[in-house]
Amino acid sequence: DTEVTQTPKHLVMGMTNKKSLKCEQHMGHRAMYWYKQKAKKPPELMFVYSYEKLSINESVPSRFSPECPNSSLLNLHLHALQPEDSALYLCASSQIRDVLRTNTGELFFGEGSRLTVL
Amino acid sequence: RKEVEQDPGPFNVPEGATVAFNCTYSNSASQSFFWYRQDCRKEPKLLMSVYSSGNEDGRFTAQLNRASQYISLLIRDSKLSDSATYLCVVNRSGGSSNTGKLIFGQGTTLQVKP
Repeated sequence: DTEVTQTPKHLVMGMTNKKSLKCEQHMGHRAMYWYKQKAKKPPELMFVYSYEKLSINESVPSRFSPECPNSSLLNLHLHALQPEDSALYLCASSQIRDVLRTNTGELFFGEGSRLTVL
Repeated sequence: RKEVEQDPGPFNVPEGATVAFNCTYSNSASQSFFWYRQDCRKEPKLLMSVYSSGNEDGRFTAQLNRASQYISLLIRDSKLSDSATYLCVVNRSGGSSNTGKLIFGQGTTLQVKP
């Protein structure tokens, strides 16, 4: 079982809906990530939070809004999505090497939230 | 050109075969390198880190050539349970601005047949 928990596992929403994806880890990791994965494609980085601050936004459309309420939680708020946003959304966490302030490279992924936008 | 390139395969091999996957990366600021494994409809999981000196974990051997910007994974004595997608991952330095980011290759699909 993964130590990163994502909810919901499946979500179907209309283009006018507002929903949120949630992610939780209790490994003490200070870097958390959102990735998007389409079928037969690799995970694509969306956002990185380090020490609860947004450090990387890969030019993601504003209809995706991340939030990191504390060091264990990461949310992704969804609003006015398009059908092409349907994908598996993966949350991950990693340790940060405090001296170098870089991630260790070992990502722990949740099982993902499979999103369908109608 | 993609930052991390892999042959997507699929590689179809019989049980017991030895199979090798290759990966190239284009950004010389890349700091560290990994192979991840992803089973169908599951999340990716770290298989092993990759070092210039090479590293071995049981039937799996990984190698990094920084001069050629090339990473390899060798699987010996393939098992049915090795069937999965193998993702080459490069950790790109963020300098002082961030903790860096992991860039995934397209993945190479391995199917081991009885």
